[in-house]
Amino acid sequence: QVQLVESGGGLVKPGGSLRLSCAASGFSFSDYFMSWVRQAPGEGLEWVSYMSSGGGAIYYADSVRGRFTISRDNANNSLFLQMDSLRAEDTAVYYCVKAHESSGYGRRTFGSWGQGTLVTVSS
Amino acid sequence: EIVMTQSPATLSVSPGERATLSCRASQSVSSNLAWYQQKPGQAPRLLIYGASTRATGIPARFSGSGSGTEFTLTISSLQSEDCAVYYCQQYNNWPPLTFGGGTKVEIK
Repeated sequence: QVQLVESGGGLVKPGGSLRLSCAASGFSFSDYFMSWVRQAPGEGLEWVSYMSSGGGAIYYADSVRGRFTISRDNANNSLFLQMDSLRAEDTAVYYCVKAHESSGYGRRTFGSWGQGTLVTVSS
Repeated sequence: EIVMTQSPATLSVSPGERATLSCRASQSVSSNLAWYQQKPGQAPRLLIYGASTRATGIPARFSGSGSGTEFTLTISSLQSEDCAVYYCQQYNNWPPLTFGGGTKVEIK
């Protein structure tokens, strides 16, 4: 079965950096678009970033563009999110998410989610 | 950016009764609309995609309808395990991929 395990969260000061990792298993990782979605404490869901299966297409939410960088290692079934210039408003649980389908519009829906990793930005 | 608006914010329904959740898009998203369920302390789960297609393993009491700008998620006979927050998400015009603010379903 699909497993997505995030790591790398923690407490960081404003202006600091953090790198999140997601270890994927149970599916052909290199075939699927992957995303990061976050959820601030007590709030709703916010899409953060999206990367195509081969890495050629990358998109970011306006709120993180220029500060966050998504990447993937298909050889090792891993997804990453480098977060720089962190702000208090970046505090959230960050979910690694697999696209529902490997082609068509299903690449833009969120089929499988990790358990999330908490990032807290505070002085 | 397409804004998704969900109503009501909280819905109280008696066990066995029907629950009807609404989602409105600020412009047409065709049928490119998904619904997710998030139980307390858990990650979200895909329920419905393509506005009306149930994801694998989703009980038949969950159904989705609508197209364009108006969508509905119906739980035909509410069970206690259905208590959760439900989010809609459009994937027609992007980036960004956008979610509604959520509807919390609770047992009356």
